[in-house]
Amino acid sequence: GQQLNQSPQSMFIQEGEDVSMNCTSSSIFNTWLWYKQDPGEGPVLLIALYKAGELTSNGRLTAQFGITRKDSFLNISASIPSDVGIYFCAGQRNDYKLSFGAGTTVTVRA
Amino acid sequence: DTGVSQNPRHKITKRGQNVTFRCDPISEHNRLYWYRQTLGQGPEFLTYFQNEAQLEKSRLLSDRFSAERPKGSFSTLEIQRTEQGDSAMYLCASRRGLGQKIAETQYFGPGTRLLVL
Repeated sequence: GQQLNQSPQSMFIQEGEDVSMNCTSSSIFNTWLWYKQDPGEGPVLLIALYKAGELTSNGRLTAQFGITRKDSFLNISASIPSDVGIYFCAGQRNDYKLSFGAGTTVTVRA
Repeated sequence: DTGVSQNPRHKITKRGQNVTFRCDPISEHNRLYWYRQTLGQGPEFLTYFQNEAQLEKSRLLSDRFSAERPKGSFSTLEIQRTEQGDSAMYLCASRRGLGQKIAETQYFGPGTRLLVL
């Protein structure tokens, strides 16, 4: 089953708004990853975080690796219609397997 | 296109039939992973290979499932005697070996969606 708690489960956002989602775990991870998945496609990597406290941006996306190594958040600024999709967090330990959250479904109101 | 590719993209089969999926990883990636994703959930780890060696299998991988990577390049995942509960998206991912941080991330293919009737 899922090891990561991802919230919110879904969100409706207004175009132009900033949004935030987060992921928590009872276990420590060495790497946090954020993926976006469109219907019928595989997850696409958005941001990878390798160090506790690290803050990384990719265009309008910003993600942080929590200091405790048990959490991460993803922010999307100035949302646009193509931000629609399901966002997944994933944690990775030394064994390199990924543990995923259940996803946050984002729907944008034009 | 130099990304991870999977075939077929969709498969409909009757319960009890065998199915086989193929994954072609990014060419210089020596690690290859299989995941299963059911509706409304994130992907769950099934198994992974380093080159041709299968290093770990999840408890999700029952004895009806078998995966191979004979030459350390492409991989196949076979499901024997399919059951309706096997209906899911089967995802393949690959990554380079140890060394650079950017190489530690896994890149996913488009998946094979299986429907067992």
